[in-house]
Amino acid sequence: DGGITQSPKYLFRKEGQNVTLSCEQNLNHDAMYWYRQDPGQGLRLIYYSQIVNDFQKGDIAEGYSVSREKKESFPLTVTSAQKNPTAFYLCASSIRSGGHNNEQFFGPGTRLTVL
Amino acid sequence: AQKITQTQPGMFVQEKEAVTLDCTYDTSDQSYGLFWYKQPSSGEMIFLIYQGSYDEQNATEGRYSLNFQKARKSANLVISASQLGDSAMYFCAMREVWMDSSYKLIFGSGTRLLVRP
Repeated sequence: DGGITQSPKYLFRKEGQNVTLSCEQNLNHDAMYWYRQDPGQGLRLIYYSQIVNDFQKGDIAEGYSVSREKKESFPLTVTSAQKNPTAFYLCASSIRSGGHNNEQFFGPGTRLTVL
Repeated sequence: AQKITQTQPGMFVQEKEAVTLDCTYDTSDQSYGLFWYKQPSSGEMIFLIYQGSYDEQNATEGRYSLNFQKARKSANLVISASQLGDSAMYFCAMREVWMDSSYKLIFGSGTRLLVRP
């Protein structure tokens, strides 16, 4: 079945460590996104990629980094520079970034807890 | 800047009844799109329905319909015949044109819906 996978579902890390969250899609979508969700809040965009080897910062990119070496993969690294990394991270993809009603499809999310 | 407002942090509805979840938006764009997503306790975001700013008809998808009032800048989600499985967080989102031809979604803070048996 086509879809978006994120791993792991739960992740625990010590403060000061970098951690990489995986996101893979087999929908042949061009655009991929990373969002952060804090308790009781909506989603905020971290990074966005429209095509391979290209990505742009979202609203809260500080302390995060991404790569897009393959169309299917868009890993997110949470660096030690991120002040409050504990959150729920959601990856999404869409057919293309433009257009009207091309909704974004979301993965199951990774819950990161920094101890 | 574009903004989405959901003023109902939580709602209760009796099973089999209809419920309306409010969403108002602010934008200066003439062309925009509005989405509703459902987020169960598992965390995944599930797309429910879409309304384009130029669509003359209100969008409908099964038990979901969108009450789009452009002059009031509101896009309320109506769920008919509520089911226990409808208990979840519901997010309204708006497409914002960004980086020329690309776009991003702006999300509201969500409404938690609980369906009572």
